[in-house]
Amino acid sequence: DVKVTQSSRYLVKRTGEKVFLECVQDMDHENMFWYRQDPGLGLRLIYFSYDVKMKEKGDIPEGYSVSREKKERFSLILESASTNQTSMYLCASTSRGGRVESYEQYFGPGTRLTVT
Amino acid sequence: AQKVTQAQTEISVVEKEDVTLDCVYETRDTTYYLFWYKQPPSGELVFLIRRNSFDEQNEISGRYSWNFQKSTSSFNFTITASQVVDSAVYFCALSGNTGKLIFGQGTTLQVKP
Repeated sequence: DVKVTQSSRYLVKRTGEKVFLECVQDMDHENMFWYRQDPGLGLRLIYFSYDVKMKEKGDIPEGYSVSREKKERFSLILESASTNQTSMYLCASTSRGGRVESYEQYFGPGTRLTVT
Repeated sequence: AQKVTQAQTEISVVEKEDVTLDCVYETRDTTYYLFWYKQPPSGELVFLIRRNSFDEQNEISGRYSWNFQKSTSSFNFTITASQVVDSAVYFCALSGNTGKLIFGQGTTLQVKP
């Protein structure tokens, strides 16, 4: 089975801190994604990556950056955390083969981040 | 622009009732995929089904069934004889030629014993 793990289930940080959220998948997937989930808004894509060292902005990239130095690991970085970044963050991965949009994304358990 | 709308924010039913979760989508792509995911209280999204835009056949999997109608741009999900374990947030999602998933707002289903 595909496994996507995230470094923390719960995280509390202070405003202005630099925050790292780590995501690791064990199925050699090329594509990895970071979403945030907020009530009434569903999941919104922050950044995604189709390969090592590649990254593309999603729908709400402002205030975030990402890093993909290894195929299995995709990190989300909040350079200076703010209270409006309090949210649930979900990582996902999928394989590339064929048409990329056809493959379901496998999700990690999520990190609930609170910025005070 | 692509968009997915789940108009039902919350639904509450009593165990053994049938329930339908609505999903309406918008896209200009001719080839696209539709998905349903379940998010139980544990938080992890669980993949339920994928349909492509060329396959309008309805699908049944145990107590779950899906009705895909391109004419109305809908992809509805029905749970027959609901159970307490079905309580979760359900998301409908769309993927087009960009490879990105566009999610609906989610429907929270509560099944009471």
